[in-house]
Amino acid sequence: QKEVEQDPGPLSVPEGAIVSLNCTYSNSAFQYFMWYRQYSRKGPELLMYTYSSGNKEDGRFTAQVDKSSKYISLFIRDSQPSDSATYLCAMSGITGGGADGLTFGKGTHLIIQP
Amino acid sequence: EAGVTQSPTHLIKTRGQQATLRCSPISGHTSVYWYQQALGLGLQFLLWYDEGEERNRGNFPPRFSGRQFPNYSSELNVNALELEDSALYLCASSLYSHNEQFFGPGTRLTVL
Repeated sequence: QKEVEQDPGPLSVPEGAIVSLNCTYSNSAFQYFMWYRQYSRKGPELLMYTYSSGNKEDGRFTAQVDKSSKYISLFIRDSQPSDSATYLCAMSGITGGGADGLTFGKGTHLIIQP
Repeated sequence: EAGVTQSPTHLIKTRGQQATLRCSPISGHTSVYWYQQALGLGLQFLLWYDEGEERNRGNFPPRFSGRQFPNYSSELNVNALELEDSALYLCASSLYSHNEQFFGPGTRLTVL
């Protein structure tokens, strides 16, 4: 079983729809959870950063963490064609990202249709 | 504020050669991380440097090495290149012991 599972997609939705992206994980030591957006042939861009369980909202983006289920989500409201990209979840333990680096999902390819 | 920068953008080498990749962190960041993003494998943690020292490495052979300079910039060296080393190599930086890692645009290494 991989440490972090993420559906690769592609996930195709019409412009304006609410998008739900998800990751599951197996390592209960993970405490910090991140979402990155990566456009083709570019480096990942940090979107959301959360600690432990709960919700965090930033503009059109909402991140949710459910540690009891080992499940994290990213919601995108009012999706735009410019949101079309690969979305990567990442996580790390209490010792911080440096001690063992960030553990990434393989990414979900999202397509927003105009 | 300038982000993480990496050079070169592209690098083409042949099997057995050595490759050197460079990274400059965000100003004020002391930690530099290297990741490999190979097709189908996702991002894999390679190395962590902080205050000029290698602090940790991922599950990669010793021919992957590097260093961090006094100005906190970093260099990744890959010796005895193999075809499977072809990948996007990403550098990230963060404040020491802080988890938010900010990535550069990457260096695409192609081994022929």
